[in-house]
Order: sequence, then C-alpha cells, then structure tokens
Amino acid sequence: AQKITQTQPGMFVQEKEAVTLDCTYDTSDQSYGLFWYKQPSSGEMIFLIYQGSYDEQNATEGRYSLNFQKARKSANLVISASQLGDSAMYFCAMREGIRGSARQLTFGSGTQLTVLP
Amino acid sequence: EAGVAQSPRYKIIEKRQSVAFWCNPISGHATLYWYQQILGQGPKLLIQFQNNGVVDDSQLPKDRFSAERLKGVDSTLKIQPAKLEDSAVYLCASSFPGGGNTYEQYFGPGTRLTVT
Repeated sequence: AQKITQTQPGMFVQEKEAVTLDCTYDTSDQSYGLFWYKQPSSGEMIFLIYQGSYDEQNATEGRYSLNFQKARKSANLVISASQLGDSAMYFCAMREGIRGSARQLTFGSGTQLTVLP
Repeated sequence: EAGVAQSPRYKIIEKRQSVAFWCNPISGHATLYWYQQILGQGPKLLIQFQNNGVVDDSQLPKDRFSAERLKGVDSTLKIQPAKLEDSAVYLCASSFPGGGNTYEQYFGPGTRLTVT
C-alpha cells in the first residue's frame, strides 16, 4: 500500500494567489514526521516545512504552511502569494518511528506546480 | 556552511559497464543516505549509514549495487554491471543527530545517470 499519496500530478496557480498541494499518508505508528520538499528543475531537494505527529499547532514557515489533519491522515501544503520562482516539483515525505530518529524518508510521487504570470 | 557535495553531476554509460558516485556530507553529519530517483517518481532509499555502519540497506539491489562509507565521512555508491533500468538521479543526503525533532535531511545536487 502507498504510504504517501499525492493525487495531483500537476497544478497551475496564478501569480500572487494561494495554492494547496494535497498529501495523504498511511502509518500505524503513533510517532512520525511529515515533510515537504521542493525540487526545482536543477534537481536539488530543498526542505520547506516539517510537522511532527505530536505537534498541536500547524507548522508555518514564511509563505508555507502545513494543514495537518491527523484524523484524516492528511498533510496538505499551502503556499500563499505564489511567486514565479515557486514553479517546481513538490514532494511530501514521511518519517516513521521514534521521535527524533534519523530514519529514512518515504516520498510521494510529487506534484508539479506551475505559477502563471 | 558547505552543503552536501556529489560528483559527477552527470554520467552516461553503456549497459553492463560499471560506475561509481561520490558523496561528501555536511561536516559533522553522522547519518548519510543514498536515494534513487527515477524520472517522474519520488526518491527511494537505497542505503542509510550511521557513521561508518549500515543502518538500512533493505532496498539496495545487492547483486549489482554496493556502497561504503569508510571513516564515517564521505561515501561511494557503485553499480556493476549497470542495467537500463538503473537510469535515474542518485541523491545523497545527510542529517545531524541531535538537530531537534526534525532530523532534517540535507540533499546534494544529485548525479544523473543515463544507461544506454
């Protein structure tokens, strides 16, 4: 079974508007972490935001926020005031297991975001 | 601080040839990961090192892939012999134990391998 599901292969958004990228996950662990990474066409993976399973508040980092709905097992990324430089592939990822452990990330298949001028 | 370094950035080989990739993690990062990213997919872990020991290599095709991390710093990933389906980007990442709850992984620029 897929552990991380990203159902939107491609998304378009107008510059300066907000956009939500969907991510659902599947785990039986009580302790886990959820990550979003951005991958521009140059190929590097850029860390955006992190949400721990025990965190009560939704994570925010500048224009990025994570809409964490634990009961629904969803961790959607919201990008506010989109910029042309936000055009990239976005990956949702999960780390299962002991809080703070250096375990592997399991990635979804990604969403290609295109910001239109 | 310097990021994760990888070389080469691009490599084209014929099937059945061998190839090696090199990764130098961020200084002080004890954990090192090698991921394989096939076009159109998310990265998939091949192997994880903690210092110079292997933590997880369950998804490494051991009949053709090998990796080592001598002295617990830089690492080499080798493929011998290569197959067409090995065409992918190979990403190296590192993380720092004790870096808060996130254990954020820092990724290198990747090596794009094309097997013809």
